[in-house]
Amino acid sequence: EPEVTQTPSHQVTQMGQEVILRCVPISNHLYFYWYRQILGQKVEFLVSFYNNEISEKSEIFDDQFSVERPDGSNFTLKIRSTKLEDSAMYFCASAGTTSTDTQYFGPGTRLTVL
Amino acid sequence: AQSVTQLDSQVPVFEEAPVELRCNYSSSVSVYLFWYVQYPNQGLQLLLKYLSGSTLVKGINGFEAEFNKSQTSFHLRKPSVHISDTAEYFCAVRGRLRSQGNLIFGKGTKLSVKP
Repeated sequence: EPEVTQTPSHQVTQMGQEVILRCVPISNHLYFYWYRQILGQKVEFLVSFYNNEISEKSEIFDDQFSVERPDGSNFTLKIRSTKLEDSAMYFCASAGTTSTDTQYFGPGTRLTVL
Repeated sequence: AQSVTQLDSQVPVFEEAPVELRCNYSSSVSVYLFWYVQYPNQGLQLLLKYLSGSTLVKGINGFEAEFNKSQTSFHLRKPSVHISDTAEYFCAVRGRLRSQGNLIFGKGTKLSVKP
């Protein structure tokens, strides 16, 4: 069964450093998402991406965040200058072509900012 | 805007007992409803979803949920739980338009099944 993959599984970085989280969505999917889950809190939407552009973003997704689909398979989330409060589990999700399509989630990347 | 409330943060239950995990939502638009499960150190896996039609939805692993529009609820049930059902369960909603595609999650309910 096709699945969403994410790398790395765990990333440790120093405050102020840039990080790139990588995701490989399911191959025929067209809609891509990033969510995050701070420890002990709910899963929160960050951004959605369709047709090579951002379609929605939350208030969390400020100027330090960016997303890119650099080739036909990868979908990346970049955090330009990490803060302590960016420490969280980051989930990538993808969905197919219709408005009722299920979002399939990857296993997540745990980001720890020191 | 939508919001989701999961009333119970933790639910302990004995093996083979029935369980109900409660979810209420609020929304100014028509929504789709979902339950996801997160096993320890894993991502979110879809259990079931309500899109339209019958209000009783059956999902994987013997779980089912009932959509109640008047009570704005989407409670998850299983008649007999197993140890392997120990996980965190998240209720989520999204608007029906493609432009409303982001999921809004509840805080989650940790189900702990004891022998």
